[in-house]
Amino acid sequence: QVQLVQSGAEVKKPGASVKVSCKASAFSFNVYAIHWVRQAHGQSLEWMGWINAGNDDTRYSQKFQDRVTINWDPSANTASMELTGLISEDTAMYYCGCGFAGIASIESWGQGTPVTVSS
Amino acid sequence: DIQMTQSPSSLSASVGDRVTITCRASQGIRSDLAWYQQRPGKAPNRLIYAASTLESGVPSRFSGSASGTEFSLTISSLQPEDFATYYCLQHSNFPFTFGQGTKLEIK
Repeated sequence: QVQLVQSGAEVKKPGASVKVSCKASAFSFNVYAIHWVRQAHGQSLEWMGWINAGNDDTRYSQKFQDRVTINWDPSANTASMELTGLISEDTAMYYCGCGFAGIASIESWGQGTPVTVSS
Repeated sequence: DIQMTQSPSSLSASVGDRVTITCRASQGIRSDLAWYQQRPGKAPNRLIYAASTLESGVPSRFSGSASGTEFSLTISSLQPEDFATYYCLQHSNFPFTFGQGTKLEIK
């Protein structure tokens, strides 16, 4: 099964940007997609976007469309998610997940990266 | 966006009980639905995919079913380790959407 290891905790000021990485192992990138999902404390899971690692096709939730960028670096087997214009409501745990490319559910998850936005 | 209405939001039950959690989709999603278990402080873990297929290694007391746009997760006999929060995920259309979650607590 694919294993995903995320970068460490981040503390940012309002208005700043954050970039979270997700390194995949045992991963056939041409058949998988990487998702990004966030979860504010005590809240539900919120899907942010997805990248097809095989062809770099990306899809974003309209809620984040203007602020999020998801990339895939095949040389490092690593995905990244950058969120700009941070506000306090962006304080959350950010997870990457992977599933077969196309319309497939998330089968494996990273451990999560806590992001805190505070002045 | 497809809305996933999950119920109940919380549920108190005892070890050995049979419980059912439901997600209703706002439009047809075929069988493009998965169920996840999340324990406090941990990432979600997929239990069921394609509405009714049990993930490898998941105990057989977990089962999923579908009827039209209504999907159910049933735990046939609750064990202590099953007390957690459960989420459904539709992956039929972008953006993917989760249900609001069901917190299963010990009575």
